[in-house]
Amino acid sequence: EIVLTQSPGTLSLSPGERATLSCRASQSVSSSYLAWYQQKPGQAPRLLIYGASSRATGIPDRFSGSGSGTDFTLTISRLEPEDFAVYYCQQYGSSPRWTFGQGTKVEIK
Amino acid sequence: EVQLVESGGGLVQPGGSLRLSCAASGFTFSSYEMNWVRQAPGKGLEWVSYISSSGSTIYYADSVKGRFTISRDNAKNSLYLQMNSLRAEDTAVYYCAMIAVAPVWFDPWGQGTLVTVSS
Repeated sequence: EIVLTQSPGTLSLSPGERATLSCRASQSVSSSYLAWYQQKPGQAPRLLIYGASSRATGIPDRFSGSGSGTDFTLTISRLEPEDFAVYYCQQYGSSPRWTFGQGTKVEIK
Repeated sequence: EVQLVESGGGLVQPGGSLRLSCAASGFTFSSYEMNWVRQAPGKGLEWVSYISSSGSTIYYADSVKGRFTISRDNAKNSLYLQMNSLRAEDTAVYYCAMIAVAPVWFDPWGQGTLVTVSS
């Protein structure tokens, strides 16, 4: 089973700042099979990035994804008030088919 | 507009059963693979189960294998999760999510239904 470890657990930043979120896999993950989701309080998750670097429909270009192998990064270039949320990385593999990281909370400093 | 609406959650005793439903609208349900994902209170996301568009291929997380059964009725545009032998650790919000972004990505999701397993 591939375990995804996200860091930091909490990121305290101000609007306008750059956010860099990390997702590290216990084994190599194909870039095609790594995604990022955003979840706001009381809401369902929303797909942001898939295939490590492709933005989902309607996602602003301040969100970008990168990485390969075991190290992946979600970057928010300039935080908007609506970006303060919890972010999860996800990978698709063999067993279990899908696993999530434990999440990174981006909070207002 | 694509809509996924879960129902059927509630309070159930340990060892009990519950059947969740997910009503789909705004798209051709029979063409899309579907999943259940859960989130324990204050915790992260856990994938639970997958079903192919025809229902012929099914996967489960080890934590629910043998206790939960996923199914779908394409004529009724509905997805189901039959949950038996429920445990306290099954307490969570259960989301249905479709795979609309090829090949394997969950988008969109329903709003979730809360299942509480407690005596």
